[in-house]
Amino acid sequence: DTAVSQTPKYLVTQMGNDKSIKCEQNLGHDTMYWYKQDSKKFLKIMFSYNNKELIINETVPNRFSPKSPDKAHLNLHINSLELGDSAVYFCASSQERSGYGYTFGSGTRLTVV
Amino acid sequence: AQSVTQLGSHVSVSEGALVLLRCNYSSSVPPYLFWYVQYPNQGLQLLLKYTTGATLVKGINGFEAEFKKSETSFHLTKPSAHMSDAAEYFCAVSDRVSNTGKLIFGQGTTLQVKP
Repeated sequence: DTAVSQTPKYLVTQMGNDKSIKCEQNLGHDTMYWYKQDSKKFLKIMFSYNNKELIINETVPNRFSPKSPDKAHLNLHINSLELGDSAVYFCASSQERSGYGYTFGSGTRLTVV
Repeated sequence: AQSVTQLGSHVSVSEGALVLLRCNYSSSVPPYLFWYVQYPNQGLQLLLKYTTGATLVKGINGFEAEFKKSETSFHLTKPSAHMSDAAEYFCAVSDRVSNTGKLIFGQGTTLQVKP
């Protein structure tokens, strides 16, 4: 039973399309995150929600919009996809805001062509 | 602002040799420090963490790390490398200043293990 699951695992789409990535955690954690891993494997936080409240919104284009319908789910919607959006997107969750005890999902590899 | 620097983007060792991956951090508050491992096409897995207490922390797969405040370092070691240790390793510090749970990652170190 996967603790943090993301779908889809792979996503290939054309420029200009709109796509969503879904994330669900069954750990009972209060906080969920989206991280982006670029082609050089550098990881950077994008968003974080705590009990459905947005608490981190890093410098990310407005085309990216997170949505958290409940504390077990955090989805990422991307409008008007660009070539530069190609990356691996990781969802993660943690029990507290200390950064203690993160659990990561297996990632979604997004390729924009 | 907190930051993490991993010295050496690529480390190559022979099977059975000592593994040493270097991590230095910058933090204005006592840090929480982490090492994560990423195998190809997988997510990140926590190897070990330091929050408070004993400065030598042991993790999974025989890895350990020592928190040295005076050197602002948290280097990862393993006495004897296995082929299965080949992966990407990330050092991270928790942003305890903002109290948002944000992790700040280093650039990563690719560990190659030669037979």
